[in-house]
Amino acid sequence: TQLLEQSPQFLSIQEGENLTVYCNSSSVFSSLQWYRQEPGEGPVLLVTVVTGGEVKKLKRLTFQFGDARKDSSLHITAAQPGDTGLYLCAGAPSGGSQGNLIFGKGTKLSVKP
Amino acid sequence: DAGVTQSPTHLIKTRGQQVTLRCSPKSGHDTVSWYQQALGQGPQFIFQYYEEEERQRGNFPDRFSGHQFPNYSSELNVNALLLGDSALYLCASSFLDWKTTDTQYFGPGTRLTVL
Repeated sequence: TQLLEQSPQFLSIQEGENLTVYCNSSSVFSSLQWYRQEPGEGPVLLVTVVTGGEVKKLKRLTFQFGDARKDSSLHITAAQPGDTGLYLCAGAPSGGSQGNLIFGKGTKLSVKP
Repeated sequence: DAGVTQSPTHLIKTRGQQVTLRCSPKSGHDTVSWYQQALGQGPQFIFQYYEEEERQRGNFPDRFSGHQFPNYSSELNVNALLLGDSALYLCASSFLDWKTTDTQYFGPGTRLTVL
């Protein structure tokens, strides 16, 4: 069974601080997606990374896909209260037929003003 | 361009009842996947529909069934509801292109409460 482990599970920081969220697995994924979810709503796609070693930047958010395509990280610079939410990583199994996504349990981020 | 829509938003049922949830995919998408998200957990894959057939299935019992219509919309049916079926049910749509990665776009979900 393929699993994605996210860490930390909870993160509470002050506005302006930097943070990194990790997503790790022993399995290879053909792609990995990061989502942000507000309470009671569906996940909203932030980015998809496909190539091992790939780095994508979205304003203050930097996403990296590990060289071996088994892990990923999300780094937020100068966090703002609007960044508060549940961050989920989801992997598409390698060799699969573009079917199910495997999700981590998420990192609940709280940014205090 | 309308995104993924789901109905109803909330639903309360009692144990043993049956429920049907509905999903309309994003315009241009032909594939619908259903996920169950329990409180404090990440979404768990239930099944995926493409060309009106179940294409892949996760580790869920036969009480969970689905359907896809010619207009690509989909339904999720759950029979003999259990307390443990209480969750946020998410629908995600995508375009099945074998050459590209499977990026899925999620709807707002249906919150099901089983009493």
